[in-house]
Amino acid sequence: DQQVKQNSPSLSVQEGRISILNCDYTNSMFDYFLWYKKYPAEGPTFLISISSIKDKNEDGRFTVFLNKSAKHLSLHIVPSQPGDSAVYFCAATGANNLFFGTGTRLTVIP
Amino acid sequence: KAGVTQTPRYLIKTRGQQVTLSCSPISGHRSVSWYQQTPGQGLQFLFEYFSETQRNKGNFPGRFSGRQFSNSRSEMNVSTLELGDSALYLCASSLGQGISYEQYFGPGTRLTVT
Repeated sequence: DQQVKQNSPSLSVQEGRISILNCDYTNSMFDYFLWYKKYPAEGPTFLISISSIKDKNEDGRFTVFLNKSAKHLSLHIVPSQPGDSAVYFCAATGANNLFFGTGTRLTVIP
Repeated sequence: KAGVTQTPRYLIKTRGQQVTLSCSPISGHRSVSWYQQTPGQGLQFLFEYFSETQRNKGNFPGRFSGRQFSNSRSEMNVSTLELGDSALYLCASSLGQGISYEQYFGPGTRLTVT
């Protein structure tokens, strides 16, 4: 049973435009959410996180939005750059466990 | 500062055998977590160790175990290997205890069970 879902396996965006990656979750008890990105042949790299008591967190070009009522979070990348091309995973923590989505492959087209 | 290192990088084992994977965290990091990544299940959390004690645990059978040493280095052991254990095993370290915070991942150990 997938508790964290990324329904879009891939996304293509033009350089300079906004990339929006989405994530849905089923467990309302999750208390912390994270985004990681992964390049081929490397381990994931932490990007940004948000506590369940907040609805927005921003770090440079990256902003994460949390909508608890919809059990939905999104990652906005503005402006998108070719180096952002990678697989992005969302994750959620709760009950001493950490659950990952299946990932969205972002391709930023120069 | 050196990153998280994992040894070996590649491993081939036979069904029924056991295997031990090793992880050295970033210097000063005291938390080490282990993950399994497979094409079918994606990235799954195994367990976290902090100060030589398991603090958090995912939903894996008891065949998967780990330990952490006083220098924060960690090992993961899988006994009675099954074909489905073939995966990339990732280790991650962080400064503080907990899986809600920024973790730094190693390159992984690719385990193939035949």
